Amino acid sequence: GAVVSQHPSWVICKSGTSVKIECRSLDFQATTMFWYRQFPKQSLMLMATSNEGSKATYEQGVEKDKFLINHASLTLSTLTVTSAHPEDSSFYICSARDDTSGGYEQYFGPGTRLTVT
Amino acid sequence: SQQGEEDPQALSIQEGENATMNCSYKTSINNLQWYRQNSGRGLVHLILIRSNEREKHSGRLRVTLDTSKKSSSLLITASRAADTASYFCATARGGSQGNLIFGKGTKLSVKP
Repeated sequence: GAVVSQHPSWVICKSGTSVKIECRSLDFQATTMFWYRQFPKQSLMLMATSNEGSKATYEQGVEKDKFLINHASLTLSTLTVTSAHPEDSSFYICSARDDTSGGYEQYFGPGTRLTVT
Repeated sequence: SQQGEEDPQALSIQEGENATMNCSYKTSINNLQWYRQNSGRGLVHLILIRSNEREKHSGRLRVTLDTSKKSSSLLITASRAADTASYFCATARGGSQGNLIFGKGTKLSVKP
């Protein structure tokens, strides 16, 4: 149980275009999901907290107009990178917290590698 | 922002040896978690230790937590080549969000 999927697993796009990444909790409901970004050989940096039915909470320094988050259901959150630039190339990982677990454990997706050319 | 630091940044050992990784953090925490990441993959949750716990075991893993020193250690006993990965500690602040803040990680290489 507690599986989180991400789609796509990798994507290459041209500079200036937008890319949508999906994060799904497959066998549990997740009111709260998190989006992280990881540059090569670095740690995960929390970008934003996604809350079902309300606006996402962005970390300091993360542009909310550039990284659009939609959490329209209890099993799906999407991250849209708008007007992507090469510096947005990174590994994007989502995680979800099981509403019924009562704990703080987060289940991570396999990640999406974005390359902007 | 980064919560803490792991040390060492990289660790190379022989199969069968024990591997110890340390993590320090800066603020008060609700719990501390250790994760493993194989190269280019997602994270796998290894173990969670709450702020009122001092030690926890799970298979070949042993985690300690010293809240007075704001530090934790992860010990992997009898390491295997398959343990080769990056290991991250992550701390959760209190509150409803439970955001995880990750350390910089230790890259462990276990040579057969």
